[in-house]
Amino acid sequence: GAGVSQSPSNKVTEKGKDVELRCDPISGHTALYWYRQRLGQGLEFLIYFQGNSAPDKSGLPSDRFSAERTGESVSTLTIQRTQQEDSAVYLCASGDTVNSPLHFGNGTRLTVT
Amino acid sequence: GENVEQHPSTLSVQEGDSAVIKCTYSDSASNYFPWYKQELGKGPQLIIDIRSNVGEKKDQRIAVTLNKTAKHFSLHITETQPEDSAVYFCAATDSWGKFQFGAGTQVVVTP
Repeated sequence: GAGVSQSPSNKVTEKGKDVELRCDPISGHTALYWYRQRLGQGLEFLIYFQGNSAPDKSGLPSDRFSAERTGESVSTLTIQRTQQEDSAVYLCASGDTVNSPLHFGNGTRLTVT
Repeated sequence: GENVEQHPSTLSVQEGDSAVIKCTYSDSASNYFPWYKQELGKGPQLIIDIRSNVGEKKDQRIAVTLNKTAKHFSLHITETQPEDSAVYFCAATDSWGKFQFGAGTQVVVTP
């Protein structure tokens, strides 16, 4: 079946521009996470959506970062006024019930020039 | 909240030898412990998981052990092959079901 889909797969943008990254989770999955992964580094938690609960935004690094999710479907991560340090791979993952596996997309590689 | 520590950060093994990666967690209410493998340019993929009512689980050359008393769990890969070279992440869910990942282990299998 279809897995987690992220688009675009690659994005090059100029410093100061806004970008939107999209995640299409597996249908029916109530949990959705965004992570940032810098080159050679681990998974940095950004935000967590679980059903209709208020999202856990505790990992967002600054107010330039925001994310939305419409119901239990697509999510978008927005980075405003991009900086060079925002360059990384942004990974999305979705999960079914609590304490069930997360399924990751292949990420969006963001390069800020 | 949950804190997961993973060791070692890098692991080099000869092909055919075993590899062991260890993780500790802090939340005694944690009850789900997955392991992920990440290959270059891809997202992490689940390779095995274990729940708190089980002490060990095996899937071919991969096994995971869990010690709830000591709050640690380990990944064991036997008869390593070059295709096992990747970054491996452990994770635990906290009492709210939120995932916390370890920092990752770069495994290099040399022929």
